[in-house]
Amino acid sequence: AQSVTQPDIHITVSEGASLELRCNYSYGATPYLFWYVQSPGQGLQLLLKYFSGDTLVQGIKGFEAEFKRSQSSFNLRKPSVHWSDAAEYFCAVVPSPGFQKLVFGTGTRLLVSP
Amino acid sequence: GAVVSQHPSWVICKSGTSVKIECRSLDFQATTMFWYRQFPKQSLMLMATSNEGSKATYEQGVEKDKFLINHASLTLSTLTVTSAHPEDSSFYICSAPAVVYGYTFGSGTRLTVV
Repeated sequence: AQSVTQPDIHITVSEGASLELRCNYSYGATPYLFWYVQSPGQGLQLLLKYFSGDTLVQGIKGFEAEFKRSQSSFNLRKPSVHWSDAAEYFCAVVPSPGFQKLVFGTGTRLLVSP
Repeated sequence: GAVVSQHPSWVICKSGTSVKIECRSLDFQATTMFWYRQFPKQSLMLMATSNEGSKATYEQGVEKDKFLINHASLTLSTLTVTSAHPEDSSFYICSAPAVVYGYTFGSGTRLTVV
């Protein structure tokens, strides 16, 4: 079945350490790809998006993501995590061109330890 | 740019009453609005898609008569939870596609039915 997979439910990272959150999708065509962050009780904030072109995408708050077609992945990275990065992160996909409904991954909760 | 304003942020209502949630696009025209429901520590579940001037499209398993969606103008979409019951308590979020920004989300509404 077509889906978006975030294999890690929880990740704990020490402050200042690097971070990588994984996202895989199972759609045939190259979809539109997004990463969102959600703080408790809040809406979602867009970190970055990929539509086409350069496969390394820079986003806000020092985040970047790399689209790898061969692996059907769009992993999110940050070189140095700050305590304020603790939140829920969602990968989302629009399976085909055009702005149709988003398909969300199950989310990864990031915990930052001192 | 591309801000969606969602109100109220939280609401407590008595069982059997109805509650209306509004989402307004402040600086762009939203011909489409997506409505999501989110249970604690879970991902977003798409409930329905509203389109200005036409009937909403509901996802499988979502009760149309319970969750009334109206998209009265290019800047306003509303979700009314009718005859609310405790099991309707949840976090509801709207989202609109905005070409440059991807999808923009409202800040969410925490509904508690007592």
